[in-house]
Amino acid sequence: DAKTTQPTSMDCAEGRAANLPCNHSTISGNEYVYWYRQIHSQGPQYIIHGLKNNETNEMASLIITEDRKSSTLILPHATLRDTAVYYCIVRVWARAGNQFYFGTGTSLTVIP
Amino acid sequence: DVKVTQSSRYLVKRTGEKVFLECVQDMDHENMFWYRQDPGLGLRLIYFSYDVKMKEKGDIPEGYSVSREKKERFSLILESASTNQTSMYLCASTVAADTQYFGPGTRLTVL
Repeated sequence: DAKTTQPTSMDCAEGRAANLPCNHSTISGNEYVYWYRQIHSQGPQYIIHGLKNNETNEMASLIITEDRKSSTLILPHATLRDTAVYYCIVRVWARAGNQFYFGTGTSLTVIP
Repeated sequence: DVKVTQSSRYLVKRTGEKVFLECVQDMDHENMFWYRQDPGLGLRLIYFSYDVKMKEKGDIPEGYSVSREKKERFSLILESASTNQTSMYLCASTVAADTQYFGPGTRLTVL
């Protein structure tokens, strides 16, 4: 199973870009990289996912290296409401259905 | 929007009680999941179900059981609650290989 490694915590100034790194060196060719975030006392919220190409949506951008061994989630203009724990996950196909393996994530604090 | 609801946000039970945690999704998703979340350990999968009456063990199924009698409802059962089952419980659902959508969570305290 591919697993991910993320820094435990990061700070970012309000209004600046937040760049959250993730290593997934054992990822397989057909495994997607997903990002979720969890604001205190709420369920995880989907942000973005990708396979090989960089992706962008209204919340964030996802940059995946060419060898797919790492990726970076970019929040272009961080706000105080972006303070949360961010999880980088690879999707593994199980025998039936699919499973998401969550690590401990990166705790992002956006500073005024 | 996909909506996943959980029966309680906060629950307090006593050791030895039977506890039912209910999860309902309104998007006709085949797959449903139960996780528990503890400080420093992230989310850990307890059980998942890919169809009505079907269930699969996750990483930490001991002390838990599940029930999926209807497609929209997935129940987590603690047959005899213990203090080490005090945790945040999160339900999620998805269709096929798509994104998982999570409920708001139930914070269970076992005294």
